[in-house]
Amino acid sequence: AQRVTQPEKLLSVFKGAPVELKCNYSYSGSPELFWYVQYSRQRLQLLLRHISRESIKGFTADLNKGETSFHLKKPFAQEEDSAMYYCALEGGSEKLVFGKGTKLTVNP
Amino acid sequence: ETGVTQSPTHLIKTRGQQVTLRCSSQSGHNTVSWYQQALGQGPQFIFQYYREEENGRGNFPPRFSGLQFPNYSSELNVNALELDDSALYLCASSLYQGGNYGYTFGSGTRLTVV
Repeated sequence: AQRVTQPEKLLSVFKGAPVELKCNYSYSGSPELFWYVQYSRQRLQLLLRHISRESIKGFTADLNKGETSFHLKKPFAQEEDSAMYYCALEGGSEKLVFGKGTKLTVNP
Repeated sequence: ETGVTQSPTHLIKTRGQQVTLRCSSQSGHNTVSWYQQALGQGPQFIFQYYREEENGRGNFPPRFSGLQFPNYSSELNVNALELDDSALYLCASSLYQGGNYGYTFGSGTRLTVV
């Protein structure tokens, strides 16, 4: 079965500090992994996907198949990064499977 | 280019009633997926429609059903509503051409069952 785990429900950092949002997955095949973000009062939107290996808004994520992880990182957090972040996996019949999300708060 | 639009935005229904939620997909997209998001949880996959047929289903009972129309818009129908069906229902469209090329989400329909 496909499963995505985001162990931190809440994460709070200060502006300029590094931030890492953790994501672990369980899937027997070769997964496609994504990070989605939801800013206050906005719809869910794609932040990045692992196959594109791009950096969006300074965020990067590396797929580690050995540790089955896809952690999201940013070296210097900004206040506008405050949002709800969801890690998601696509594979098999379940289509897109989401974790429960991590609420990131960046304090001034 | 228009995004994904869902209607209505809010809805209150009584237990046992039936409800229909609607979704217009983004221009150029041919696939529609529906998700249920309970409070404090991540979105949970209900089903996906491609070429007007169901193309994958999550762990939801048969009283959750759907349709996709030739213009790629979609409906989610829920029969015999239960209190636990209260949630935000999200629609996402995507372009499938041998693989999905990213999902665009609507703002959702907030359903409250009383």
